[in-house]
Amino acid sequence: GAGVSQSPSNKVTEKGKDVELRCDPISGHTALYWYRQSLGQGLEFLIYFQGNSAPDKSGLPSDRFSAERTGGSVSTLTIQRTQQEDSAVYLCASTPTRTDTQYFGPGTRLTVL
Amino acid sequence: AQSVSQHNHHVILSEAASLELGCNYSCGGTVNLFWYVQYPGQHLQLLLKYFSGDPLVKGIKGFEAEFIKSKFSFNLRKPSVQWSDTAEYFCAVNSADSWGKLQFGAGTQVVVTP
Repeated sequence: GAGVSQSPSNKVTEKGKDVELRCDPISGHTALYWYRQSLGQGLEFLIYFQGNSAPDKSGLPSDRFSAERTGGSVSTLTIQRTQQEDSAVYLCASTPTRTDTQYFGPGTRLTVL
Repeated sequence: AQSVSQHNHHVILSEAASLELGCNYSCGGTVNLFWYVQYPGQHLQLLLKYFSGDPLVKGIKGFEAEFIKSKFSFNLRKPSVQWSDTAEYFCAVNSADSWGKLQFGAGTQVVVTP
């Protein structure tokens, strides 16, 4: 079946611009996660959504970062006023339940000039 | 908070050599343990996982890992590597106090030479 998909695959933006990254989880998966993979920082948890519960935002690095999940499916990660240190690969994952194996998408490579 | 330590950042070995990658996590209690692999140009894929039961788990492509609770370790092994095993390997843990958050190790870049 289809895996986790993310768009765009690459995004180049100028410092100070806002960007939106999209994640389509595996159909039927109730939990959705965002991570960031950057040189020197490795893989960092950002946020996760579980069903209709309030999201766990504890990994968001600043208030410039936000995410929403509409209809319990698609999620959008928004970064406002991007900075060069936001350059990274943003990964999305989903699971049938929050204790299950996380299946990762291909990521969005964000470059902030 | 949980943390994960991978012992080697970079490993170079020849085909047919044996591979062992170390992974230790910091907090006890109930944990789920994972090894993910990222081949060049590809996304993260699950190699194997431990939730409960037999502490020796077998994954895809001939990999296995052993959970040793007393040592907080989950080391990855493969008896004979192939060139196609060149990749970055990540150990990851989640625990009962934060199931939603996978804590990853820094990763080990493995290069297998022909």
